Parts: sequence; C-alpha cells; structure tokens
Amino acid sequence: EAEVAQSPRYKITEKSQAVAFWCDPISGHATLYWYRQILGQGPELLVQFQDESVVDDSQLPKDRFSAERLKGVDSTLKIQPAELGDSAMYLCASDRGDRINTEAFFGQGTRLTVV
Amino acid sequence: DAKTTQPNSMESNEEEPVHLPCNHSTISGTDYIHWYRQLPSQGPEYVIHGLTSNVNNRMASLAIAEDRKSSTLILHRATLRDAAVYYCILNSGGSNYKLTFGKGTLLTVNP
Repeated sequence: EAEVAQSPRYKITEKSQAVAFWCDPISGHATLYWYRQILGQGPELLVQFQDESVVDDSQLPKDRFSAERLKGVDSTLKIQPAELGDSAMYLCASDRGDRINTEAFFGQGTRLTVV
Repeated sequence: DAKTTQPNSMESNEEEPVHLPCNHSTISGTDYIHWYRQLPSQGPEYVIHGLTSNVNNRMASLAIAEDRKSSTLILHRATLRDAAVYYCILNSGGSNYKLTFGKGTLLTVNP
C-alpha cells in the first residue's frame, strides 16, 4: 500500500543549529502539506504546496522556517536556527490535489526535540 | 474558517457503539464535513466525509443533521484499536481547500 514517507523519524538538535526534514508523498499526489503538532494539540498547517508552488504559508514562521518542493515531488522543511519552542512532531501529508474533498494521507512524522 | 466544537474526551466500552458529536453551527453550504483520527504516535488517518447525506464506509458511519449544523461519527462496535483522537473538520474545497485541525475528541475504549 502506498504511503507518505518521512525521515528522520526522530531528531535531537541543539538550539541555534539547523535541522531539515524530508517528505516523499504518494506518487502522483499534487498537493503536499507540512504540519506541526505540539503535544496535546491538533496539527497546525505550516505550508501547503500545489505541485511546486506554495498555496498557503501564512502560518510558516518565515524568519527561521523554509520549505521547498523543487520538482513538485518530494519536499524539504528546514529550520534555522532551531529554538526550544520548535520541539514538536512535524507531519507531512499529501492528496490528489483536485481540491474536491479527497482523502489526505499522512506520514508517521518526525519528532523533533530541541535541547 | 468555519469552526467545529467537539467534546474534549469520551469513553466507551469494547464492542459497544460509539457516537462522537461535532457542532458546526457556522457551516456554509459548500463545506464538506471530514473526520480524521490519530492513533497514538502516528499521523492522522482519514475516516469519512460527507456533505448533506449520511455516509457509510468500512470504518464508520457519518450522520449529518438536516440543518447541517451538527454531525455524529458512529463507530458501530468499538475495539481497543479505535482508541484515538478524533477530529471533525470543515473543508470548503476549491481554492480554499485545506484541512484545519482543532483539538479533537480523545476516545478511550475500555476492555
């Protein structure tokens, strides 16, 4: 069964260091999402891509976060410099992209701990 | 974005039906009602969605009120594997298509 792949599963980094997460969506899925989930809360959308274009990054802290999806397939989310408050689960999701209420598929996430 | 209101937590017994409510009094005519669930230490997974009519699939049923201001996710026979956080989400599709999660309902299933 096709799935959204994320790596690494776990990451520990020191504050002020740079960190990057990678996501490979389901083949053929045009829309890719990055979410951040703080313990005890629901996922918060950081950025949404349609193919290689950013559709929504209104909640992305652009002073330290960046995201790219250069060829419209896999994607990288970067944090530089990391802060203690960035400790969270980072989830990637994808869907067909036809925007008529299709099912989104989520990866297992990357658990980031900033020390 | 239209808001949803869900109870923080609910409890059920194994093999009994579970009715998870969601209020969405400001829903617009083009908003679909989506349900996702998140098992411990996993990403969310799709459960079901609907617009006006009740919907059934292999995982659950979705009952939508006639005025669409509320809906209920029905798990017909809860199992221990159904213990998860359940999210009710409104999605209008088109250029506004996105999944905005609230806090959801934590379902505990007792053996």
